Amino acid sequence: QVQLQESGPGLVKPSETLSLTCAVSGYSINSDYYWGWIRQPPGKGLEWIGNIHRTGSTYYNPSLKSRVTISIDTSENQFSLNLNSVTAADTALYYCTRRLPGTAYRDYWGQGTLVTVSS
Amino acid sequence: QSALTQSASVSGSPGQSITISCTGTSSDVGGYNFVSWYQQHPDKAPKLMIYDVSKRPSGVSNRFSGSKSGNTASLTISGLQAEDEADYYCNSYTSSSTWVFGGGTKLTVL
Repeated sequence: QVQLQESGPGLVKPSETLSLTCAVSGYSINSDYYWGWIRQPPGKGLEWIGNIHRTGSTYYNPSLKSRVTISIDTSENQFSLNLNSVTAADTALYYCTRRLPGTAYRDYWGQGTLVTVSS
Repeated sequence: QSALTQSASVSGSPGQSITISCTGTSSDVGGYNFVSWYQQHPDKAPKLMIYDVSKRPSGVSNRFSGSKSGNTASLTISGLQAEDEADYYCNSYTSSSTWVFGGGTKLTVL
């Protein structure tokens, strides 16, 4: 059974860096999938942040590209999100996901982790 | 990139059919057959209902179907049931090798 589990601080101060990790179990992250992040501000819609392939190739939302980095650790079977210079607008539920390349088949999502940006 | 356009809300009675539309441009919805639809119940993670415009993942009811015409994709739910009440989001690949979501549609089953 494939499972994705987000972890990281629930509270980040403005101007600091938000760092989250997604631990993958039941499946090797070193397989041909894209591993990504999607967020949802409280009471609002979904926003795609970006994704990474096992080869290290990354794609980011243009509106976040200057502040975001997604990395992959195949030895730990996990991938991570770093978002720097955060503001209150980055307060959201952050989900990690898996998508099959060459398709829109994004089948597995983590349960989500709430990150609040506040001093 | 601009969000795809969805109507804010739609409603229907049990047993009826409803359609949710998702309008983009030729650089996203109209240019690729990589459109998906997600169902999200309150305080739950989104669930994939349709991918690649019209394909259904294993385990998803055949009451859910997807289609596309030009720059507009559509999700149709037939035989509405109470458990279908949820938020629905469309998602499309773009010419920039990125993905964009619609703003979401709240489905109310009367």
